[in-house]
Amino acid sequence: DAEITQSPRHKITETGRQVTLACHQTWNHNNMFWYRQDLGHGLRLIHYSYGVQDTNKGEVSDGYSVSRSNTEDLPLTLESAASSQTSVYFCASSEGRDMNTEAFFGQGTRLTVV
Amino acid sequence: EDKVVQSPLSLVVHEGDTVTLNCSYEVTNFRSLLWYKQEKKAPTFLFMLTSSGIEKKSGRLSSILDKKELFSILNITATQTGDSAIYLCAVEGGTSYDKVIFGPGTSLSVIP
Repeated sequence: DAEITQSPRHKITETGRQVTLACHQTWNHNNMFWYRQDLGHGLRLIHYSYGVQDTNKGEVSDGYSVSRSNTEDLPLTLESAASSQTSVYFCASSEGRDMNTEAFFGQGTRLTVV
Repeated sequence: EDKVVQSPLSLVVHEGDTVTLNCSYEVTNFRSLLWYKQEKKAPTFLFMLTSSGIEKKSGRLSSILDKKELFSILNITATQTGDSAIYLCAVEGGTSYDKVIFGPGTSLSVIP
């Protein structure tokens, strides 16, 4: 069965370190998204991609970067982790660009920056 | 600024009760409103609403959209403990990028 997986599921890192969160989907979806979820804010979009070599900034992109070298993967990199980036991160993919079709979410990565 | 507001933010009910969750929005270029259920970790899709006044139904859950008053409700009848979750409302639209704006969620706890 097709799926979307994130790794690691939990990560503790120190302030200033570079961290990369992996997202891999086997739906063959062109569209992939990274969100962070914080209490009181719901899910906020960090970056998104409509296809290979395409990346776009979302609502809270500062301090994050993504790259899309193939259809299956959209890794999220924190260049220099900050305590404000402690959060739960969700990756999602969808068939339709406008999410008129169902979006599938990964199980999330809980990141703690100490 | 585009925003999605949900109320209440948390709710505790007894099994068998009926609950109504509210979602209001101010989003430019509205295209659709989405409801998700989030248990433990990943959100799962419930409904997508694009037209006013047309109820979507799935088992004990139903939802309706009012595009004039800019809100939607999610009803759950005969609640069960398995309905305990965070219910997220999201609106597709926006200005600088046409993506989905999520509300903060309503945390529902159903107690026996």
